[in-house]
Amino acid sequence: QKEVEQNSGPLSVPEGAIASLNCTYSDRGSQSFFWYRQYSGKSPELIMFIYSNGDKEDGRFTAQLNKASQYVSLLIRDSQPSDSATYLCAVSSEYGNKLVFGAGTILRVKS
Amino acid sequence: EAGVVQSPRYKIIEKKQPVAFWCNPISGHNTLYWYLQNLGQGPELLIRYENEEAVDDSQLPKDRFSAERLKGVDSTLKIQPAELGDSAVYLCASSQNPGEQFFGPGTRLTVL
Repeated sequence: QKEVEQNSGPLSVPEGAIASLNCTYSDRGSQSFFWYRQYSGKSPELIMFIYSNGDKEDGRFTAQLNKASQYVSLLIRDSQPSDSATYLCAVSSEYGNKLVFGAGTILRVKS
Repeated sequence: EAGVVQSPRYKIIEKKQPVAFWCNPISGHNTLYWYLQNLGQGPELLIRYENEEAVDDSQLPKDRFSAERLKGVDSTLKIQPAELGDSAVYLCASSQNPGEQFFGPGTRLTVL
């Protein structure tokens, strides 16, 4: 079983819709959770992090964490074609010092 | 503020040849990471430095891979000898705060 699992996609949503990206992890000791965006041929860039159960909002992005279910998600509201990318979920049991990445979910936003 | 710099951006070598990658982190970032990323996969940590000290190299194949970070700034990752399976993108990242890692553009290695 992989430590961090994501649906590889692609997830296709129309422009303006809400995109919902999901991630599950196996290590119950995980303490911090990150979402990175990676455009094709580019390197990952951090877009959100969350440490506590519940929701965290930043502009059009909302991260949701449920430690009991070992589940973290990323919602993108008002999706734009420029959001089309691979979204990587990363989990750490060392306050971010050692990240374990999922394989990523490909998101396609169609105009 | 300049980002993480890596060179070369692309490298093609024959198997069994040596290869080296260089990374210059963001100024002031004490933590430096080397990752390997295969197509369709997430980055996998090879080694993490805190200043000059390698604090996590458990995933580094030490029979052929080596790394150094002299003076706690620039870092070099070396593979000798390279194998076909080493073809991948090698990413360097740095951070000031744990988790908030900034990645360089990567070096795409092709081993023929």
